This record gives sequence, structure tokens and C-alpha cells, in this order.
Amino acid sequence: AQSVTQLDSQVPVFEEAPVELRCNYSSSVSVYLFWYVQYPNQGLQLLLKYLSGSTLVKSINGFEAEFNKSQTSFHLRKPSVHISDTAEYFCAVSAQNNDMRFGAGTRLTVKP
Amino acid sequence: KAGVTQTPRYLIKTRGQQVTLSCSPISGHRSVSWYQQTPGQGLQFLFEYFSETQRNKGNFPGRFSGRQFSNSRSEMNVSTLELGDSALYLCASSFQGGTHEQYFGPGTRLTVT
Repeated sequence: AQSVTQLDSQVPVFEEAPVELRCNYSSSVSVYLFWYVQYPNQGLQLLLKYLSGSTLVKSINGFEAEFNKSQTSFHLRKPSVHISDTAEYFCAVSAQNNDMRFGAGTRLTVKP
Repeated sequence: KAGVTQTPRYLIKTRGQQVTLSCSPISGHRSVSWYQQTPGQGLQFLFEYFSETQRNKGNFPGRFSGRQFSNSRSEMNVSTLELGDSALYLCASSFQGGTHEQYFGPGTRLTVT
């Protein structure tokens, strides 16, 4: 079965600084990768996804992630964060067996 | 299009009782997955239903069960509640599951005392 490791449980950054949230996965088959965001007291929202094609995927609010097959990674980046980006971010992997697995989450805190 | 709805939003139960949570998926979605979220264990997959059949199951005891109706609505039942069952239970719907992205409901916060 596939699995996901999010390497940082908490990432504090200052506003307008760049950020990278790291995600590594393991799987013996081809996978599909997702990043979800969870704001306080809410469910998860899809941020971006990689299914096939271009390895660099982007969200509408400035986040991007790159699928790196050789390093089995799907790190999430943003060049300049805002206070409103404070949330918990989950990396997820899904394979053809329809089984989606989530990482433990990374709490991003943006300070003024 | 209406999103995923979960009822109730908050619930307080006593040890030993049982509880049923409900999830209404987005119209047209046939896959419903359930997750348990706790500070210590994070997001853990409970099970997935597709067209009224359980298609995948996580590593939870038999006290956790679910079902899906012909209109794709799903219920999750937990019997003989334990203190450790206190968690946020999230439901997610998807058109077909697997490679299709999941859309999450706001969750049901269950507190067991």
C-alpha cells in the first residue's frame, strides 16, 4: 500500500517570506498526488493535484507543487505567504486501488 | 452545486453508547469515504463506499461500520463508544474515488465522556 510522509509538523514563517512544505511518498505503483488545506474548524479543501502530464502544478492562490518521481516527492511551495495562508496542509497519495492515504499534516503559521 | 453536508455537526455521547453519523455527498458523486481525525493520529481512513458497496476499509475495529444508500447518502455507526473515539469525523465524496479528488464536508465533532 502507498504511504505519505510530511517531514515537518510545524512551519512558522514571516509574512511575505517564501515557504516550502515537504512531502514524500512511497508506492510500488503509479500514484496520484494531492495537497489539501484545512482552516480552523473546517473540512479539507483541495489545493492542487497531480494526475499526469506536467510535473509542476499550480493553485489559484499562488501555491505550486512539483512531482519528482526519482525522489518520490511532491513538495508544496509559495514564493510569498500571507497571514491568511495560516492553516494545516495535508499531502495525500492515491493509487489505482482507489485507496487515498494522507500525511500527518503540516501546520503553517504565518506571522506578521 | 451544494457541497458535502454532515449531520450532526457536534455530538456528545457517553462511554458504551452507540452513535450514527450522516453524510450527504455532492449530487452525482457515487463514492463516499470516511476519515477520523485526531490530534495524535492525524487523518485516518475508515472506509469507502461506492454504489452501496464497501470498496475499501482501513484498520479500525469492527465497532466502526458504515453503509451507503441508493441515493449515495452514507451513514457511519460506532458501537460501544470508548473515550478514544473522541475525534472529528470527516466525510468526503468523489465522483468515482481513486484518482478523482475528494470533496470534504465540515465534519462531525464527537466527544465521548
